[in-house]
Amino acid sequence: DVVLTQTPVAQPVTLGDQASISCRSSQSLVHSNGNTYLEWYLQKPGQSPQLLIYKVSNRFSGVPDRFIGSGSGSDFTLKISRVEPEDLGVYYCFQATHDPFTFGSGTKLEIK
Amino acid sequence: EVQLVESGGSLVQPGGSLKLSCVASGFTFSNYWMDWVRQTPGKSLEWIGEINTDGSKTNYAPSIKDRFTISRDNAKSTLYLQMSNVKSDDTAIYYCTRGAYWGQGTLVTVSS
Repeated sequence: DVVLTQTPVAQPVTLGDQASISCRSSQSLVHSNGNTYLEWYLQKPGQSPQLLIYKVSNRFSGVPDRFIGSGSGSDFTLKISRVEPEDLGVYYCFQATHDPFTFGSGTKLEIK
Repeated sequence: EVQLVESGGSLVQPGGSLKLSCVASGFTFSNYWMDWVRQTPGKSLEWIGEINTDGSKTNYAPSIKDRFTISRDNAKSTLYLQMSNVKSDDTAIYYCTRGAYWGQGTLVTVSS
C-alpha cells in the first residue's frame, strides 16, 4: 500500500502568517493516465472533512486562493498564506492513484 | 445541493453484523462512483472501498476485505455498507463520500 507521510504532526502558527504542510508518498503518485490524484482535506473540529485541493494544485469550488497546492511525483506541499481562524483544524493528504487509496496521518494547524 | 445522509450505526458485539445506509440527494446518484471512509476515535482517516456506477465493480481496503461489502440501489439513490464479523478495530465513524462531498457520518461501536 502507498504510505503518505505528513510533516509536521502539528503546526503552531500566528494568525496572518503562512503555514506549510508536507506530504511525501512511498511511491510516485503519477497515474498511468498521466494524472496525479493527490488531494488535500481540512477537518474542522466536529465536522466532516472538506476538500480543499484536488489533482495536486486545483482548488475546489469556493476554496480561497490563500490555499496553494504544489508538488509532483512523490513530494507535495500545501501552503496556507495569511492564516485565518477558520483555517484551524487537521489537514490530511489523500492519494487516489493506487489501490487501495490512502490518507496521510494528518497535520494539526493550531494557534501559536 | 448535494446531500449524503448516513444511518444505521449502533453498538454491535464482536463477531456480529451491521448494515449502514447512505441516502444521496441533489445529484444523479447513478452517474457517480461512491466511496466509504472511516475515522477511528482520535485517529486518522481510512479509505474502506468504492463502488462503480452500476454496482458491478467494487474495490476494498485489505483491512476489511472479505468482511465488508459495498452495494448500491440506484433506484433508491442509496449506498450500503454490509459489515460482517466485526472487530473492536472497526469502531469508527463511517462516512459515505462522493469525492468532494461527505456525509455527516454514522458511529459504529464494536464492544461486548
